Amino acid sequence: SQELEQSPQSLIVQEGKNLTINCTSSKTLYGLYWYKQKYGEGLIFLMMLQKGGEEKSHEKITAKLDEKKQQSSLHITASQPSHAGIYLCGADNTGKLIFGQGTTLQVKP
Amino acid sequence: NAGVTQTPKFQVLKTGQSMTLQCAQDMNHNSMYWYRQDPGMGLRLIYYSASEGTTDKGEVPNGYNVSRLNKREFSLRLESAAPSQTSVYFCASSPRTGGNTIYFGEGSWLTVV
Repeated sequence: SQELEQSPQSLIVQEGKNLTINCTSSKTLYGLYWYKQKYGEGLIFLMMLQKGGEEKSHEKITAKLDEKKQQSSLHITASQPSHAGIYLCGADNTGKLIFGQGTTLQVKP
Repeated sequence: NAGVTQTPKFQVLKTGQSMTLQCAQDMNHNSMYWYRQDPGMGLRLIYYSASEGTTDKGEVPNGYNVSRLNKREFSLRLESAAPSQTSVYFCASSPRTGGNTIYFGEGSWLTVV
């Protein structure tokens, strides 16, 4: 079965710093999703990537699916306290969505 | 915009008790899902329903049953709750399975003592 591994598991950065979260799949990715979750709340959809080499941006968050389609990275530029939360990558697995274990991000003012 | 609504938001159960988590979506989506979230383990799929009238097991189905009551509603039942089922449960829906954005409810916090 397909598995998703996220790294790092947790991250503490100073406000204004850039950061990257990685999501590595044990199998080829046919649709990679990034979600954000604030503590005590549901998941908010950030973006979906489907093609190898595809890159999408939303405000200061950029995600890319590598050419070999087994890894995705999420990059935040000039982090802000509003970026704090848990970031989860998800992938299509025979029609259903599976998730990595999540990366907890703290941004210190 | 209601989206995906799940109830109850909080529940404490005693070991052996049963309960049903309710979920409804108003987006006319075909597919619905139940996940559980535990610290350090991300979201794990319990059951899903690709379309009305069908249900399938996910990664961690043991101890749970589901009912796709109609296109809008998908319930999750714990017949005999165990402490290992203490978790946060999320219901979700999508237009169909595969290649579609999934929309999540706000979660139900369940504690089994």
